[in-house]
Amino acid sequence: EAQVTQNPRYLITVTGKKLTVTCSQNMNHEYMSWYRQDPGLGLRQIYYSMNVEVTDKGDVPEGYKVSRKEKRNFPLILESPSPNQTSLYFCASNPAGSLLEQYFGPGTRLTVT
Amino acid sequence: LAKTTQPISMDSYEGQEVNITCSHNNIATNDYITWYQQFPSQGPRFIIQGYKTKVTNEVASLFIPADRKSSTLSLPRVSLSDTAVYYCLVGDYSSASKIIFGSGTRLSIRP
Repeated sequence: EAQVTQNPRYLITVTGKKLTVTCSQNMNHEYMSWYRQDPGLGLRQIYYSMNVEVTDKGDVPEGYKVSRKEKRNFPLILESPSPNQTSLYFCASNPAGSLLEQYFGPGTRLTVT
Repeated sequence: LAKTTQPISMDSYEGQEVNITCSHNNIATNDYITWYQQFPSQGPRFIIQGYKTKVTNEVASLFIPADRKSSTLSLPRVSLSDTAVYYCLVGDYSSASKIIFGSGTRLSIRP
């Protein structure tokens, strides 16, 4: 089944404790993105990657890192999480020829205390 | 990406046709119009995409006038399960980099 998977789905952590949220897609898509969604602010893009080893900042990249060493994986790294990073996170992927037709993962709800 | 404007919320009843309009006055020649649907605590789901005139699939229709400065997502005979947030995006689908979701339209369907 074609899908985007994220792990973990739920995470409660403390300020400053490094964490990684994994994202994997099995559709051989070139383009992958991370979004965060907060009440009243909609979906905001954090980082995106046009292909392996090619990443760029979205609208809200501060406090996040990403890497794209393999085509299928695009992990989101929070080196020192803070409470304002408490949010619902989505990973998405799409083929290079259809950049607006994205396939989203199920989401990761992160709480930083 | 072109800026889009949608109503914040809409209400309707089961069995009715619902039309959600999106304004995109600065749409560029190479831009396409894309709509997504999002249920609570789920990722958005692609619904439909078009360039001009009318596009129809099993879920919805998309109407785009000749000047392309707006578009209308039409949901035929809605049911309670169509209650969701609907997002309109406009961009060049072959070269877009950043992708910007607006605030969307919160559609509530009543029995």
